[in-house]
Amino acid sequence: NAGVTQTPKFQVLKTGQSMTLQCAQDMNHEYMSWYRQDPGMGLRLIHYSVGAGITDQGEVPNGYNVSRSTTEDFPLRLLSAAPSQTSVYFCASRVNSGRQETQYFGPGTRLLVL
Amino acid sequence: AQKITQTQPGMFVQEKEAVTLDCTYDTSDPSYGLFWYKQPSSGEMIFLIYQGSYDQQNATEGRYSLNFQKARKSANLVISASQLGDSAMYFCAMRDLNTGGFKTIFGAGTRLFVKA
Repeated sequence: NAGVTQTPKFQVLKTGQSMTLQCAQDMNHEYMSWYRQDPGMGLRLIHYSVGAGITDQGEVPNGYNVSRSTTEDFPLRLLSAAPSQTSVYFCASRVNSGRQETQYFGPGTRLLVL
Repeated sequence: AQKITQTQPGMFVQEKEAVTLDCTYDTSDPSYGLFWYKQPSSGEMIFLIYQGSYDQQNATEGRYSLNFQKARKSANLVISASQLGDSAMYFCAMRDLNTGGFKTIFGAGTRLFVKA
């Protein structure tokens, strides 16, 4: 199992550009989430999905779109990048198996918006 | 509303000693899960330990244990016999299993430095 994979690892954008951060998991997890990590603020939930075709907003959804056409993939789209979106982005997937409700995280994507 | 508070921005510990990282939480849901994650300098998030709100005993995973005090709403992480490789950021997290079953919230983190 590759677990949770994210591409790209690094990205530099200019203000106003759009791009898609890719996330895939091969563990057949129903739940997938996107977080952003900013210094001193921990991880904040952007969007999440409880299954193919079902998505919902998290704490900080503005400026981002998601879709979930398959169980495996959960891309995050930045519609018009802003410097405030400079951050590290983590994708995670989750299994619900009794007591151990553990999220598995991807390696992260570092995004710099100029 | 859910809230996680980690009041220690940074902690120092001598190698081979034990250290406690503090975490307090707030929720109105009687059913919730508490988590600790480690983030080394390489950036990945590593799951360490889980405690359910109805678990009778404190969770343990190797050198990690969770000091769960439900009445105080605290879920402190105890690392025994610290190693140099334990130097990292540590995040406490929580998920309400009824009202907020799909959302995990994180604290701001504590950076642990292990001294040789």
